[in-house]
Amino acid sequence: KAGVTQTPRYLIKTRGQQVTLSCSPISGHRSVSWYQQTPGQGLQFLFEYFSETQRNKGNFPGRFSGRQFSNSRSEMNVSTLELGDSALYLCASSLFGTRGTDTQYFGPGTRLTVL
Amino acid sequence: DAKTTQPPSMDCAEGRAANLPCNHSTISGNEYVYWYRQIHSQGPQYIIHGLKNNETNEMASLIITEDRKSSTLILPHATLRDTAVYYCIVRVGSGNAGNMLTFGGGTRLMVKP
Repeated sequence: KAGVTQTPRYLIKTRGQQVTLSCSPISGHRSVSWYQQTPGQGLQFLFEYFSETQRNKGNFPGRFSGRQFSNSRSEMNVSTLELGDSALYLCASSLFGTRGTDTQYFGPGTRLTVL
Repeated sequence: DAKTTQPPSMDCAEGRAANLPCNHSTISGNEYVYWYRQIHSQGPQYIIHGLKNNETNEMASLIITEDRKSSTLILPHATLRDTAVYYCIVRVGSGNAGNMLTFGGGTRLMVKP
């Protein structure tokens, strides 16, 4: 079974631009979560989508948004990019995400650099 | 989720067992202990998880103390490819909040020849 895939793998943008990142979950997985990893803050939860609805949200400004499609694929968008948005953005999928045994599997990440 | 405490770094000789400790003294009865590792700039890789019994899979063993306040991840025969940051995470056992994984600083394991 194919793992979680993320596109693009690398991205360079300038301040003020917006960016859209894509995530395809493992086949059959319905929950998709997004995380941001920076050297200063570590790995932080952004949000989770299940059945096309945002189910959980981390402590990030409204510039960070996402959506999920009917096939469980997900996108996240960052508007008005700031230098501090430079990070590795990780996507993780799980079956339902409501049980302690429901493991999240991570993709390889998208490395975003904001100049 | 309960907070976890891990040593920031550890060394291990290649071929020897690597024992990575994790303290989770405020864990609740329905919370699971999960271990992930992250090799430089890659996505975190799931290793193993458990509730109260010891668990073993092809990658590692997880030993959870009887009071569940701490656990140890054991890599039985560490190789250079096991050099990574290892994260111990406690997550809720049910409900919609289960997927909000809280990562701490992890333990940077260096396997040396």
